[in-house]
Formats: sequence, C-alpha cells, structure tokens
Amino acid sequence: AQRVTQPEKLLSVFKGAPVELKCNYSYSGSPELFWYVQYSRQRLQLLLRHISRESIKGFTADLNKGETSFHLKKPFAQEEDSAMYYCALGGGSQGNLIFGKGTKLSVKP
Amino acid sequence: NAGVTQTPKFRILKIGQSMTLQCTQDMNHNYMYWYRQDPGMGLKLIYYSVGAGITDKGEVPNGYNVSRSTTEDFPLRLELAAPSQTSVYFCASSSTSGRTGNEQFFGPGTRLTVL
Repeated sequence: AQRVTQPEKLLSVFKGAPVELKCNYSYSGSPELFWYVQYSRQRLQLLLRHISRESIKGFTADLNKGETSFHLKKPFAQEEDSAMYYCALGGGSQGNLIFGKGTKLSVKP
Repeated sequence: NAGVTQTPKFRILKIGQSMTLQCTQDMNHNYMYWYRQDPGMGLKLIYYSVGAGITDKGEVPNGYNVSRSTTEDFPLRLELAAPSQTSVYFCASSSTSGRTGNEQFFGPGTRLTVL
C-alpha cells in the first residue's frame, strides 16, 4: 500500500539549532517525493521536491531508497521556519499526492 | 495570476443542507483535485479531474459530486450534509500528474462545519 508516515506531530527547537523532520514512505515503484509547507494563515505551498535536488530556504531533503525515507533538514533553524510541514508522495493512482499527517515545527527564540 | 481561488472561506451548514464549494484556477492546468483534511490528519483525495469533461472518484468520494465543464472551474457539491463532512477542503491544480514530479498549486481552503 502507498503510504507516507511522519512520526512527529510536533517538533520544537530553539533558533539556531539543527532541524530534522522525518518522513518515511511505502511505495512499490520509483517514488516522486515532495515537501509542502503551510505557514500561518497561508496556503499550502511546495517547499522542495526530490528530483530537483535543490535547497530552498536552507532546507534540503535526500531520498534514501534503502531506508524509504525523505527527511527534511536544516542546519540552523530560524523563527520564520515555524509552520506545518507535510511530506507527500506522488504515487496516487489518480495522479494525486499522498500526504503524511504533517509535523508542526515550532522554532523558539 | 490569482492561482487557485476558493469560495467561501468558511461555512456552517445544518444537517441535510446542500452547498457548492467553488474552485477556479487561471493557470490553464489540466489536472484539478479536491482534498479534505480532517483534524490531525493528512489530506485525502475526494475527486479529481484530468481535463474538462473528465472527472473521477478519489479515496473518499461518498457524499460529494463534482463537475468540470471548463478548464478553469472545478466545483464540489455536497448533497445532504452530514457531521462527518466537517473538514477543511482544499482545491489544487497541476499541469501534469503528481507522478511526474510536477508541483500542485493549492487554494486557501474552505473550512466547513456541519451541525
């Protein structure tokens, strides 16, 4: 079954600390993976996708097929990073995204 | 570009009432989706469309209907509202399928409460 698991509902760190938001997936084919972010009072928006291998706002994510993971990392968290983060798999049979339940990141000053 | 717009932003319905959630995109995207998000859960697909005149059911279609008469509009109809339909509804669009790694663009959401 296609599934995305984000084990942490809430992650709280201090400004300047490293951040790692965990994401594991279950998919039989070659996965397309994304991280979406929703800042307070804003719509859900794409943060990054694994095929681009890019760093956005200091965040990176590496696809590890052996561990079926796509963890999101940032070496030094900023207060403006506080938001809901959703890992998503582009594996839906209807071309849809399969979302994890999300992790709320809170960065304290 | 306005991107994906949704109306209304909030709505309270009584059990048994009906309503239509509107969704419009101005990016000429073929793919459009309706998701619902229940508290503490991820988004689940209700219905989707791969182009004007073509719609199909997603994971949780019961109690809903959609139409796609134009590329821009993808309204979601709730018939006989039930408390289980209390949720936040998101419309999204993309130029191609999510399988190709293409970004989905989301509307701001509609928060619906059924009492």
